[in-house]
Amino acid sequence: ETGVTQSPTHLIKTRGQQVTLRCSSQSGHNTVSWYQQALGQGPQFIFQYYREEENGRGNFPPRFSGLQFPNYSSELNVNALELDDSALYLCASGGQGQGNTEAFFGQGTRLTVV
Amino acid sequence: GNSVTQMEGPVTLSEEAFLTINCTYTATGYPSLFWYVQYPGEGLQLLLKATKADDKGSNKGFEATYRKETTSFHLEKGSVQVSDSAVYFCAPSGGYQKVTFGTGTKLQVIP
Repeated sequence: ETGVTQSPTHLIKTRGQQVTLRCSSQSGHNTVSWYQQALGQGPQFIFQYYREEENGRGNFPPRFSGLQFPNYSSELNVNALELDDSALYLCASGGQGQGNTEAFFGQGTRLTVV
Repeated sequence: GNSVTQMEGPVTLSEEAFLTINCTYTATGYPSLFWYVQYPGEGLQLLLKATKADDKGSNKGFEATYRKETTSFHLEKGSVQVSDSAVYFCAPSGGYQKVTFGTGTKLQVIP
């Protein structure tokens, strides 16, 4: 158990809709990262939040956005869903500071866009 | 940025065979190195880690040694089991847990 929980576990949405995925990190973990893992691929970095501010972003369009809250929870929002957004979305959290390198992953949310 | 190269899969082995999955990386600075495992239909689990050169990470019979000279972190296990069938990801991680993943190596162990 990593202490990182994601909800929901599975989700089906229609193209063009909006979706919010949620993550609850371990207490004390003030860094949260989100990854997209398409079928048969490795996880791709979407963005990271550190102390509620964006701290790096991968090659994803602005319709992917996030929020981090003081209670160690966070959200990934995706607008105008496309079929290619179908993937496993992983949340990872970690401890304080630049020196912390270990990421603790949740079990993921599997999003299907139809 | 960081990058990682793993051997192409799938790797198919008979039970009790010796396993090696090669991993080389490029990175700025001195990242920590991790192996993650993903069982079918599940998320990522940390298998083992090494945080500095010459460290050996080990867990559940798996081992990997951080080789700074060759920028490698090869995964080995002396005797694989059917239950080891999964996808394995080598992943360097820099500050603030900036983890880089490759495409992974699928391992299939047959009885």
